[in-house]
Amino acid sequence: RKEVEQDPGPFNVPEGATVAFNCTYSNSASQSFFWYRQDCRKEPKLLMSVYSSGNEDGRFTAQLNRASQYISLLIRDSKLSDSATYLCVVNHYGGSQGNLIFGKGTKLSVKP
Amino acid sequence: SQTIHQWPATLVQPVGSPLSLECTVEGTSNPNLYWYRQAAGRGLQLLFYSVGIGQISSEVPQNLSASRPQDRQFILSSKKLLLSDSGFYLCAWGDLRAPRETQYFGPGTRLLVL
Repeated sequence: RKEVEQDPGPFNVPEGATVAFNCTYSNSASQSFFWYRQDCRKEPKLLMSVYSSGNEDGRFTAQLNRASQYISLLIRDSKLSDSATYLCVVNHYGGSQGNLIFGKGTKLSVKP
Repeated sequence: SQTIHQWPATLVQPVGSPLSLECTVEGTSNPNLYWYRQAAGRGLQLLFYSVGIGQISSEVPQNLSASRPQDRQFILSSKKLLLSDSGFYLCAWGDLRAPRETQYFGPGTRLLVL
């Protein structure tokens, strides 16, 4: 089983749509969870950390289900500028050790 | 604020040639530092990490090596490049002030080995 698994997409959605990305992870000891965004040929940039209680930042909502080892990202009211690849990221050894495992990413394309 | 620099931005090297990529961080002290590689169509792979000067941990056996000669300097090297070393090399620093470490990436070096 892959350590961090994501649907590769692409997700092609119209502006204003709501889109949801899912991610599963295999290491039950993982403690840190993140979503990063990567534009074409650029470095990944932190979008948001994911907390146990779920968290929201503007149009973006992240959820964590530890029992199912499942993470989600919801984007409401999609903008053209949201087009990018979204990476699900989980720490490898648990605790606060920063060795992160990255999913291969889900590509989002928002169309006018 | 913290800034992370990498150079060069792009590099084309022949097979068998040496490699040296440099990463420096500004605005923080004693950061954890990381080298990742992203090959075409694949996820980021952790290559090395360092928790302090002279301390290097390798995640993947390969013909690459890393060094940390100064607190905010991290270098990735190879004595002889292979075709399979082509990829996007990313340096990251870890912000330990957050409840859990958060990593921030430099702009990356795109390496093509021919």
